[in-house]
Amino acid sequence: NAGVTQTPKFQVLKTGQSMTLQCAQDMNHNSMYWYRQDPGMGLRLIYYSASEGTTDKGEVPNGYNVSRLNKREFSLRLESAAPSQTSVYFCASSVAGGPPDTQYFGPGTRLTVL
Amino acid sequence: GQQVMQIPQYQHVQEGEDFTTYCNSSTTLSNIQWYKQRPGGHPVFLIQLVKSGEVKKQKRLTFQFGEAKKNSSLHITATQTTDVGTYFCAGRKWSGYSTLTFGKGTMLLVSP
Repeated sequence: NAGVTQTPKFQVLKTGQSMTLQCAQDMNHNSMYWYRQDPGMGLRLIYYSASEGTTDKGEVPNGYNVSRLNKREFSLRLESAAPSQTSVYFCASSVAGGPPDTQYFGPGTRLTVL
Repeated sequence: GQQVMQIPQYQHVQEGEDFTTYCNSSTTLSNIQWYKQRPGGHPVFLIQLVKSGEVKKQKRLTFQFGEAKKNSSLHITATQTTDVGTYFCAGRKWSGYSTLTFGKGTMLLVSP
């Protein structure tokens, strides 16, 4: 099992460009999440999908959109990138409801917006 | 909204010294989880605490959940260089489906 995979690993964008971050999990998990991590700020939830077919905003959704393509895949789109979106982005998945409801994280995408 | 505060932000210890990080929630939690992130890596689940006053141990790591289910701590006895990383607590508000709120983490540096 690969667990949670993310592509790309690194990306540099210019202000105003768009891109989609891809995430896939092979653990048959119901729930998937997108977080951003900035120095000294911990992990902040951008969007999540509790189950296939649903998506909800997290703490910092502005400037992002998501798509739960199927049970395995959850993508994050930046329509018009801004320097404030320079960050490390982590995708995570969980069974949801089972004890413990562990979140499994992907390796991350390091994004720089110039 | 729910806030989870974690202190200290950073701690540098000599190998063999003990280390403790504290987590406090603005609201009562259903459960709390702890994660470790090695430098350059991704967060990895360590443990979940559910019951009021619960104490769990994993080798040199001791995790506690407060009686009021609003605070938690992680204590490492006799740190080793392999303990280096950032430790995050993450609180869950409800016992049903709800998202985790992460603290900002405590970065631990261990010098040999």
